Amino acid sequence: SAVISQKPSRDICQRGTSLTIQCQVDSQVTMMFWYRQQPGQSLTLIATANQGSEATYESGFVIDKFPISRPNLTFSTLTVSNMSPEDSSIYLCSVEEGGGAADIQYFGAGTRLSVL
Amino acid sequence: QKEVEQNSGPLSVPEGAIASLNCTYSDRVSQSFFWYRQYSGKSPELIMSIYSNGDKEDGRFTAQLNKASQYVSLLIRDSQPSDSATYLCAVNRSAYKLSFGAGTTVTVRA
Repeated sequence: SAVISQKPSRDICQRGTSLTIQCQVDSQVTMMFWYRQQPGQSLTLIATANQGSEATYESGFVIDKFPISRPNLTFSTLTVSNMSPEDSSIYLCSVEEGGGAADIQYFGAGTRLSVL
Repeated sequence: QKEVEQNSGPLSVPEGAIASLNCTYSDRVSQSFFWYRQYSGKSPELIMSIYSNGDKEDGRFTAQLNKASQYVSLLIRDSQPSDSATYLCAVNRSAYKLSFGAGTTVTVRA
């Protein structure tokens, strides 16, 4: 499977600030996703990062709060904007491998964000 | 109704026993099903994928799928302390997206 590097691995931020999380893959992949995992919860999909076009956001998530870039097939960023303590979560990027109906997703190590 | 539901935990089993994890899903057209293991403080790692009705075995893990009943399960045989983790059931929906269950935490007692 692809090697996925995510950084920063953790951060502590002040409310009202923004944090950009980077996700780098060692091979070209078509599908990249961003998830949020709140404390003690399962994974919730934030958006699909589309190469060369605007990301596709899930219900409850908006571009102004979570702008995403995908400049090429190996890299994506997620920004958490104007943060509040409710944004304290683990943020994970994933890539889809296998193509077709396989839908197998592999995850980066995650970014543990605490907002004070 | 949640898209993916897992049996509530935590599940505690003695070492060497079988751990049985269950998952039901609501979207009848789903075709791909996955089990991820997540250790505390780590990201999810894929342990099993299954696409056809029946059983699929990989080492000590067996996944079972019944599309008619919209049910998928994971058996862990000869459970080891290293199997102590949260197990997430994931089901595909549209456009390669996955829906995850809430997870079942398994503790294997030595």
